[in-house]
Amino acid sequence: EAGVAQSPRYKIIEKRQSVAFWCNPISGHATLYWYQQILGQGPKLLIQFQNNGVVDDSQLPKDRFSAERLKGVDSTLKIQPAKLEDSAVYLCASSLVPAGQSGKNIQYFGAGTRLSVL
Amino acid sequence: AQSVTQLGSHVSVSEGALVLLRCNYSSSVPPYLFWYVQYPNQGLQLLLKYTSAATLVKGINGFEAEFKKSETSFHLTKPSAHMSDAAEYFCAVSDDRTGGTSYGKLTFGQGTILTVHP
Repeated sequence: EAGVAQSPRYKIIEKRQSVAFWCNPISGHATLYWYQQILGQGPKLLIQFQNNGVVDDSQLPKDRFSAERLKGVDSTLKIQPAKLEDSAVYLCASSLVPAGQSGKNIQYFGAGTRLSVL
Repeated sequence: AQSVTQLGSHVSVSEGALVLLRCNYSSSVPPYLFWYVQYPNQGLQLLLKYTSAATLVKGINGFEAEFKKSETSFHLTKPSAHMSDAAEYFCAVSDDRTGGTSYGKLTFGQGTILTVHP
């Protein structure tokens, strides 16, 4: 079974530029998550999708971050414009069980995209 | 609000020695608890999870953890460390319940880097 795919693996940009990350979840997984992991910290949830609808984006800085999950499969996360403090690893995860039905659901993570903002 | 505290950002052990990584949680309701491992430049991989069944949970690679409600702890242990155990370990909590307002969101601790010496 293929895992969660993310691209690119690494990205270096200058501040005020824009950047986009792509995620392809495990086939059949209804729920998709984007996390931000700053060096030395645990991952922090940015946004959670249930199929193609947003169920939690309370931690997403909406003035510069946006995300979509068209057709309930692939997802993209965009930052525009980027700031120095956005330097982090962006992790995508997916789970089979729909959100709200069980906290036991296991989230499967991709390898992440490491973003450096100069 | 739920939270997780991992005591010790770095733990160093000798090969063959006991591994003990500490995790304490704070949650208003009985939680679900998880331990994930992250190898360099990789995503997070689930080691084990507690979902209110047996309090002693066995995971992959010889790891286990014990849920202690009275101490609000979920410490991770392994009797004998191996060089391949060197990685960063994250404890996470979810308090998702059917019909609740939570959506299976994981809240992570800040991580503990495990170093294994020959």
